[in-house]
Amino acid sequence: DSGVTQTPKHLITATGQRVTLRCSPRSGDLSVYWYQQSLDQGLQFLIQYYNGEERAKGNILERFSAQQFPDLHSELNLSSLELGDSALYFCASSVVETSGYTFGSGTRLTVV
Amino acid sequence: KNQVEQSPQSLIILEGKNCTLQCNYTVSPFSNLRWYKQDTGRGPVSLTIMTFSENTKSNGRYTATLDADTKQSSLHITASQLSDSASYICVVTGYSSASKIIFGSGTRLSIRP
Repeated sequence: DSGVTQTPKHLITATGQRVTLRCSPRSGDLSVYWYQQSLDQGLQFLIQYYNGEERAKGNILERFSAQQFPDLHSELNLSSLELGDSALYFCASSVVETSGYTFGSGTRLTVV
Repeated sequence: KNQVEQSPQSLIILEGKNCTLQCNYTVSPFSNLRWYKQDTGRGPVSLTIMTFSENTKSNGRYTATLDADTKQSSLHITASQLSDSASYICVVTGYSSASKIIFGSGTRLSIRP
């Protein structure tokens, strides 16, 4: 157990639907990062939050949004889902940006 | 352009043999370099993290080296085991900016008995 908790582990939904992925960072970590990993592809950075505020954006689609709540957990919202959104979505957390990240076990999203 | 390139893309070796994975980067200014191991379908697990002042760091049978002058890093695995079969990812962070977290595409390592 890495200390980073992601729920749900698996999610199957239809095209056009909206889903919410949840991440609880490791205790004491203020930064949360979201990554997307499509089949046999590398990790793509989506977005980072630090202590409740958006810190950096990567290759995140406009249909996707995220937020970090006062208790530091974060949610990634994916809307108007397309088949190509099927992927593993990982959350990672760290104390500060330049420290090591700890990854969660991911949410596997399948869009049918 | 900030880039991280890993080689080889894939590698197959026999159990018990050693191997070395390469990572070249152009990220500047440089904060740190990390090596992660990712089993299929699982989250990456940190192996080592090095700043520009560190040349070598070990974690069991894994030894990472860093040459900040040539912007090259290597991950050496000694006496490989079947459980070492995974993707190994090099991640370079630019100085204090998450938008400069650059992931390499990884090396897929397969250990054969």
